[in-house]
Amino acid sequence: DQQVKQNSPSLSVQEGRISILNCDYTNSMFDYFLWYKKYPAEGPTFLISISSIKDKNEDGRFTVFLNKSAKHLSLHIVPSQPGDSAVYFCAAGSQGAQKLVFGQGTRLTINP
Amino acid sequence: DAGITQSPRHKVTETGTPVTLRCHQTENHRYMYWYRQDPGHGLRLIHYSYGVKDTDKGEVSDGYSVSRSKTEDFLLTLESATSSQTSVYFCAIAGQASSYEQYFGPGTRLTVT
Repeated sequence: DQQVKQNSPSLSVQEGRISILNCDYTNSMFDYFLWYKKYPAEGPTFLISISSIKDKNEDGRFTVFLNKSAKHLSLHIVPSQPGDSAVYFCAAGSQGAQKLVFGQGTRLTINP
Repeated sequence: DAGITQSPRHKVTETGTPVTLRCHQTENHRYMYWYRQDPGHGLRLIHYSYGVKDTDKGEVSDGYSVSRSKTEDFLLTLESATSSQTSVYFCAIAGQASSYEQYFGPGTRLTVT
Protein backbone atom coordinates (compact mmCIF):
# COMPACT_ATOMS: atom_id res chain seq x y z
CA ASP A 1 0.00 0.00 0.00
CA GLN A 2 1.85 3.02 -1.33
CA GLN A 3 0.80 5.97 0.83
CA VAL A 4 2.92 8.45 -1.11
CA LYS A 5 3.10 8.18 -4.88
CA GLN A 6 5.12 9.89 -7.54
CA ASN A 7 3.57 8.64 -10.75
CA SER A 8 6.15 10.07 -13.13
CA PRO A 9 9.43 8.13 -12.98
CA SER A 10 11.14 10.71 -15.16
CA LEU A 11 10.74 14.24 -16.49
CA SER A 12 12.73 16.12 -19.08
CA VAL A 13 12.68 19.95 -19.20
CA GLN A 14 14.52 22.54 -21.19
CA GLU A 15 16.89 24.83 -19.34
CA GLY A 16 15.20 28.07 -18.31
CA ARG A 17 11.70 26.61 -18.37
CA ILE A 18 9.57 25.56 -15.41
CA SER A 19 9.86 22.06 -13.95
CA ILE A 20 6.79 20.68 -12.18
CA LEU A 21 7.09 17.53 -10.11
CA ASN A 22 3.99 15.94 -8.68
CA CYS A 23 3.19 13.81 -5.66
CA ASP A 24 -0.03 12.26 -4.38
CA TYR A 25 -0.78 10.84 -0.96
CA THR A 26 -3.57 8.76 0.52
CA ASN A 27 -3.21 9.15 4.29
CA SER A 28 -5.23 12.12 5.54
CA MET A 29 -3.23 12.06 8.79
CA PHE A 30 -0.16 13.43 7.03
CA ASP A 31 0.37 17.03 8.14
CA TYR A 32 3.85 17.83 6.88
CA PHE A 33 5.39 17.35 3.47
CA LEU A 34 8.96 17.58 2.26
CA TRP A 35 10.93 17.42 -0.96
CA TYR A 36 14.40 15.94 -1.16
CA LYS A 37 16.91 16.07 -3.99
CA LYS A 38 19.37 13.29 -4.68
CA TYR A 39 22.45 13.24 -6.88
CA PRO A 40 24.07 9.93 -7.89
CA ALA A 41 26.30 8.35 -5.23
CA GLU A 42 25.16 10.88 -2.61
CA GLY A 43 22.55 10.89 0.12
CA PRO A 44 19.29 12.78 -0.33
CA THR A 45 19.38 16.42 0.72
CA PHE A 46 16.45 18.36 2.11
CA LEU A 47 15.08 20.93 -0.32
CA ILE A 48 11.84 22.47 0.89
CA SER A 49 8.86 21.62 3.08
CA ILE A 50 5.30 22.66 3.75
CA SER A 51 2.95 22.28 6.67
CA SER A 52 -0.67 21.26 6.11
CA ILE A 53 -1.82 24.62 7.46
CA LYS A 54 -0.35 26.30 4.37
CA ASP A 55 -0.99 25.85 0.68
CA LYS A 56 2.23 27.35 -0.64
CA ASN A 57 5.83 27.76 0.43
CA GLU A 58 8.56 29.47 -1.54
CA ASP A 59 12.31 29.37 -1.31
CA GLY A 60 14.12 31.08 -4.14
CA ARG A 61 13.51 29.17 -7.36
CA PHE A 62 11.61 26.44 -5.54
CA THR A 63 7.92 26.57 -4.64
CA VAL A 64 5.85 23.79 -3.15
CA PHE A 65 2.07 23.81 -3.50
CA LEU A 66 -0.27 21.72 -1.36
CA ASN A 67 -3.85 20.85 -2.29
CA LYS A 68 -5.25 19.06 0.75
CA SER A 69 -8.63 18.31 -0.74
CA ALA A 70 -6.97 16.53 -3.65
CA LYS A 71 -4.22 15.07 -1.46
CA HIS A 72 -1.71 16.39 -3.95
CA LEU A 73 1.46 18.40 -3.75
CA SER A 74 3.76 19.73 -6.41
CA LEU A 75 7.23 21.21 -6.60
CA HIS A 76 7.85 24.00 -9.08
CA ILE A 77 11.36 24.94 -10.12
CA VAL A 78 11.71 28.10 -12.13
CA PRO A 79 13.86 28.74 -13.99
CA SER A 80 15.27 25.24 -14.32
CA GLN A 81 19.04 24.95 -14.39
CA PRO A 82 21.36 22.08 -15.41
CA GLY A 83 22.34 21.58 -11.76
CA ASP A 84 18.73 20.73 -10.99
CA SER A 85 19.14 17.42 -12.81
CA ALA A 86 18.67 14.87 -10.04
CA VAL A 87 16.16 12.47 -8.53
CA TYR A 88 13.49 14.21 -6.45
CA PHE A 89 11.64 12.46 -3.63
CA CYS A 90 8.55 13.72 -1.90
CA ALA A 91 7.94 12.63 1.67
CA ALA A 92 5.15 12.95 4.19
CA GLY A 93 4.92 12.78 7.94
CA SER A 94 2.25 12.90 10.63
CA GLN A 95 2.52 14.52 14.04
CA GLY A 96 3.78 12.19 16.71
CA ALA A 97 4.94 9.49 14.32
CA GLN A 98 8.44 10.94 13.96
CA LYS A 99 9.01 9.11 10.71
CA LEU A 100 8.54 9.87 7.04
CA VAL A 101 7.01 7.99 4.14
CA PHE A 102 8.73 8.57 0.81
CA GLY A 103 7.52 8.40 -2.75
CA GLN A 104 9.30 6.41 -5.46
CA GLY A 105 11.16 9.40 -6.84
CA THR A 106 11.15 11.31 -10.15
CA ARG A 107 14.30 11.68 -12.20
CA LEU A 108 14.49 15.24 -13.53
CA THR A 109 16.73 15.97 -16.49
CA ILE A 110 17.36 19.56 -17.54
CA ASN A 111 18.40 19.83 -21.16
CA PRO A 112 20.53 22.74 -22.39
CA ASP B 1 25.92 19.67 6.41
CA ALA B 2 24.93 17.36 9.22
CA GLY B 3 27.82 15.25 10.52
CA ILE B 4 26.78 11.79 9.43
CA THR B 5 29.12 9.09 8.22
CA GLN B 6 28.40 5.56 7.07
CA SER B 7 30.78 2.65 6.92
CA PRO B 8 31.63 0.82 4.84
CA ARG B 9 30.68 2.81 1.74
CA HIS B 10 30.77 -0.27 -0.45
CA LYS B 11 30.58 -3.94 0.41
CA VAL B 12 30.28 -7.18 -1.53
CA THR B 13 29.34 -10.24 0.46
CA GLU B 14 28.10 -13.76 -0.13
CA THR B 15 24.65 -15.11 0.54
CA GLY B 16 24.30 -16.40 4.09
CA THR B 17 27.00 -14.27 5.67
CA PRO B 18 26.29 -11.72 8.41
CA VAL B 19 26.81 -8.06 7.59
CA THR B 20 26.84 -5.01 9.83
CA LEU B 21 26.57 -1.46 8.57
CA ARG B 22 27.46 1.45 10.79
CA CYS B 23 26.03 4.94 11.00
CA HIS B 24 27.86 7.53 13.07
CA GLN B 25 26.66 11.06 13.84
CA THR B 26 28.35 13.98 15.54
CA GLU B 27 25.17 16.07 15.92
CA ASN B 28 23.89 14.51 19.15
CA HIS B 29 20.51 14.03 17.46
CA ARG B 30 17.96 11.86 19.17
CA TYR B 31 16.38 10.15 16.17
CA MET B 32 18.20 7.87 13.73
CA TYR B 33 16.86 5.89 10.80
CA TRP B 34 17.92 3.21 8.34
CA TYR B 35 16.44 3.19 4.82
CA ARG B 36 17.04 1.18 1.72
CA GLN B 37 16.74 2.61 -1.77
CA ASP B 38 15.69 0.40 -4.66
CA PRO B 39 14.58 1.30 -8.19
CA GLY B 40 10.84 1.79 -8.36
CA HIS B 41 10.47 1.81 -4.58
CA GLY B 42 12.10 5.02 -3.49
CA LEU B 43 13.30 5.10 0.10
CA ARG B 44 11.80 2.55 2.45
CA LEU B 45 12.24 2.63 6.20
CA ILE B 46 13.86 -0.46 7.72
CA HIS B 47 14.23 0.45 11.39
CA TYR B 48 14.50 3.61 13.42
CA SER B 49 15.62 4.69 16.88
CA TYR B 50 14.23 7.34 19.17
CA GLY B 51 16.96 7.07 21.78
CA VAL B 52 19.68 4.86 23.17
CA LYS B 53 18.39 1.28 23.29
CA ASP B 54 15.00 2.45 21.93
CA THR B 55 14.27 1.14 18.46
CA ASP B 56 11.24 0.23 16.36
CA LYS B 57 10.47 -1.48 13.08
CA GLY B 58 9.81 0.23 9.79
CA GLU B 59 7.94 -1.09 6.75
CA VAL B 60 10.66 -3.49 5.51
CA SER B 61 12.26 -4.80 8.71
CA ASP B 62 12.23 -8.55 7.97
CA GLY B 63 15.78 -9.91 7.85
CA TYR B 64 17.28 -6.88 9.59
CA SER B 65 18.10 -6.01 13.18
CA VAL B 66 19.46 -2.83 14.72
CA SER B 67 21.22 -1.70 17.84
CA ARG B 68 21.92 1.65 19.41
CA SER B 69 24.13 1.54 22.49
CA LYS B 70 25.35 5.13 22.15
CA THR B 71 23.65 8.30 20.92
CA GLU B 72 26.13 8.66 18.07
CA ASP B 73 26.04 5.13 16.63
CA PHE B 74 23.24 3.16 14.97
CA LEU B 75 24.11 -0.28 13.62
CA LEU B 76 22.16 -2.23 11.01
CA THR B 77 22.77 -5.99 10.89
CA LEU B 78 21.78 -8.48 8.22
CA GLU B 79 21.98 -11.74 10.15
CA SER B 80 22.18 -13.88 7.02
CA ALA B 81 22.40 -11.81 3.86
CA THR B 82 20.23 -12.68 0.86
CA SER B 83 20.38 -11.45 -2.73
CA SER B 84 17.14 -9.51 -2.15
CA GLN B 85 19.05 -7.35 0.32
CA THR B 86 21.31 -6.03 -2.42
CA SER B 87 20.56 -2.33 -2.22
CA VAL B 88 21.82 1.10 -1.27
CA TYR B 89 21.39 1.76 2.43
CA PHE B 90 21.02 5.24 3.87
CA CYS B 91 21.18 6.38 7.44
CA ALA B 92 19.35 9.54 8.49
CA ILE B 93 19.09 11.63 11.64
CA ALA B 94 16.57 14.08 13.04
CA GLY B 95 17.04 16.35 15.99
CA GLN B 96 13.75 17.43 17.46
CA ALA B 97 10.39 15.83 18.02
CA SER B 98 8.76 18.89 16.46
CA SER B 99 10.92 18.73 13.34
CA TYR B 100 10.12 16.38 10.51
CA GLU B 101 13.33 17.14 8.62
CA GLN B 102 15.76 14.29 8.36
CA TYR B 103 19.38 14.57 7.22
CA PHE B 104 20.97 11.74 5.33
CA GLY B 105 24.36 10.11 5.25
CA PRO B 106 26.22 9.33 2.01
CA GLY B 107 24.96 5.76 1.74
CA THR B 108 26.39 2.24 1.65
CA ARG B 109 26.15 0.18 -1.52
CA LEU B 110 25.74 -3.48 -0.55
CA THR B 111 25.92 -6.31 -3.05
CA VAL B 112 25.00 -9.84 -1.97
CA THR B 113 26.22 -12.48 -4.45
